[in-house]
Amino acid sequence: ETGVTQTPRHLVMGMTNKKSLKCEQHLGHNAMYWYKQSAKKPLELMFVYNFKEQTENNSVPSRFSPECPNSSHLFLHLHTLQPEDSALYLCASSQEPQVQSRGYTFGSGTRLTVV
Amino acid sequence: DQQVKQNSPSLSVQEGRISILNCDYTNSMFDYFLWYKKYPAEGPTFLISISSIKDKNEDGRFTVFLNKSAKHLSLHIVPSQPGDSAVYFCAASYTGNQFYFGTGTSLTVIP
Repeated sequence: ETGVTQTPRHLVMGMTNKKSLKCEQHLGHNAMYWYKQSAKKPLELMFVYNFKEQTENNSVPSRFSPECPNSSHLFLHLHTLQPEDSALYLCASSQEPQVQSRGYTFGSGTRLTVV
Repeated sequence: DQQVKQNSPSLSVQEGRISILNCDYTNSMFDYFLWYKKYPAEGPTFLISISSIKDKNEDGRFTVFLNKSAKHLSLHIVPSQPGDSAVYFCAASYTGNQFYFGTGTSLTVIP
């Protein structure tokens, strides 16, 4: 496989459930990201990992917990979510320091519905 | 407060004509600007970028123009093709690998 792969593509979970989103990149990139896209809102950066180290946490509630075990894998652990957390969750990767001119490579996203 | 704005949610253009997508920003510290294209059920894909030291960057049918005094950038697609129908996002950065995105403009190219 090439590019950035996200699983699952769709997820429906209850507010008391615990689930995890998985992201894997096959590009040899050294930075990975979680973004959230809600309806009619811009993409919101949630977390940044550079060389497996978390460097950004944009005031994300603790019910979202990221994990980056190595430079190719990124997880987003979900616990006790709210219905307003329903959104498209996008994973992306990039190669430093060229990210500003070459941008991210995004996965296809996980469509999350919290019921 | 939203730092990058795309005020036109949608745009329709005849095949072969020019498509112009606009983007405005508020933060004068932004030094790189990118455009992404997104098809349904896929993630956004990088299209073209421009540094703040330039006012124009061209790649095939796609040209991005930057007007720093107006804090405005635009993406021109010439000629437009039906396969260009997608949602286009502009994004801006001043902190290395963190980008601020607009809400997107849905382009429909009519055959």
